[in-house]
Amino acid sequence: SAVISQKPSRDICQRGTSLTIQCQVDSQVTMMFWYRQQPGQSLTLIATANQGSEATYESGFVIDKFPISRPNLTFSTLTVSNMSPEDSSIYLCSVEGDWDRVSQETQYFGPGTRLLVL
Amino acid sequence: SQQGEEDPQALSIQEGENATMNCSYKTSINNLQWYRQNSGRGLVHLILIRSNEREKHSGRLRVTLDTSKKSSSLLITASRAADTASYFCATDADRGSTLGRLYFGRGTQLTVWP
Repeated sequence: SAVISQKPSRDICQRGTSLTIQCQVDSQVTMMFWYRQQPGQSLTLIATANQGSEATYESGFVIDKFPISRPNLTFSTLTVSNMSPEDSSIYLCSVEGDWDRVSQETQYFGPGTRLLVL
Repeated sequence: SQQGEEDPQALSIQEGENATMNCSYKTSINNLQWYRQNSGRGLVHLILIRSNEREKHSGRLRVTLDTSKKSSSLLITASRAADTASYFCATDADRGSTLGRLYFGRGTQLTVWP
């Protein structure tokens, strides 16, 4: 499986500011995703990070609030803009394994970024 | 619409006992995956079962899938305190949805007492 790292692991931010979360994978992957997990809740897909083109956002999520970059096949960033306390969540990136037949269809997750907005 | 829904929401057992968690979903799937999440951390992939498979084993884990009932179960045998975590099932998207998207349930919080 891939080794996926995220930075920062956690942060406390003030209302109205922005935070950029980085996701790094140790191998090239085609599919990369960003999820949000609000306290005590399940995971919700924010967007698919597309290499070389604009991200594909799910219903309820917009680029102005969650701009995403994907400059290459191993790296992506998610920015949470103009934060409010409702944005306090764990943000996770995930990749779909495509390096062998066994890993295909399996999604592997990073360790997550815990964000608290005051 | 949300797919996987786990039950029970919480399960508390003694070390050495078996833990069974169930997952139900609503539409047709290609595969179903189980994940573990330790408190506030990332998700660890446990096992994937495809729609044409009925049962799969991995160490102390046993997963079953009944596509006619749209349900799956995760059995952890001889549980250990280190198995304490939240367990989620996730199904892939049905037709017309985002490629690669997973639908997660709310999870089962398992506590294993030493």
